[in-house]
Amino acid sequence: AQTVTQSQPEMSVQEAETVTLSCTYDTSESDYYLFWYKQPPSRQMILVIRQEAYKQQNATENRFSVNFQKAAKSFSLKISDSQLGDAAMYFCAYRSARSAGGTSYGKLTFGQGTILTVHP
Amino acid sequence: KAGVTQTPRYLIKTRGQQVTLSCSPISGHRSVSWYQQTPGQGLQFLFEYFSETQRNKGNFPGRFSGRQFSNSRSEMNVSTLELGDSALYLCASSLGDSKNIQYFGAGTRLSVL
Repeated sequence: AQTVTQSQPEMSVQEAETVTLSCTYDTSESDYYLFWYKQPPSRQMILVIRQEAYKQQNATENRFSVNFQKAAKSFSLKISDSQLGDAAMYFCAYRSARSAGGTSYGKLTFGQGTILTVHP
Repeated sequence: KAGVTQTPRYLIKTRGQQVTLSCSPISGHRSVSWYQQTPGQGLQFLFEYFSETQRNKGNFPGRFSGRQFSNSRSEMNVSTLELGDSALYLCASSLGDSKNIQYFGAGTRLSVL
């Protein structure tokens, strides 16, 4: 079974500064996807960024980028130029690219989350 | 395009009752997955439905069940509610293929008294 670990329960950053959230995972699979989701107080999970394991290039979405280290099974999220609206709970998640015996792609395995506070 | 809609937003039930939660996916999406979120256990996968068939199930007791209709709307049912079932229940929809991204609803907050 796959596991996802976020070792930082809480992080804080000053507005306009950069912060990095850590995530490690454990899997025996070679083909999978990794995600960072953001959950603000409104509760709705919002996809921040996605990484495909077979792509060596780190994914980037505007101010958000990842450092994907496949051998180390590490997947950190860097938020540059932090904004007040970035304050939320951030979840790292894993999904298999294929499911043995079937074609189920609907199962995400989540880490415990990191609460990010942004100070003005 | 409308997002994933979950109803109701809040529910209060007592132990022993049963409850049904509803999820309307994004138009065109055929896969609906359900998750339970609690402070202690975090986010846990309940099950996934695709084209009216359950194709994956998490490690939850049989009191938790679901179904999907021909229009891809899904319902989740919990029978004989226990205090520990108090949680935020999230559903997510996707196209259902291997490259799919899951889009989440705002969830239903269930409180069991």
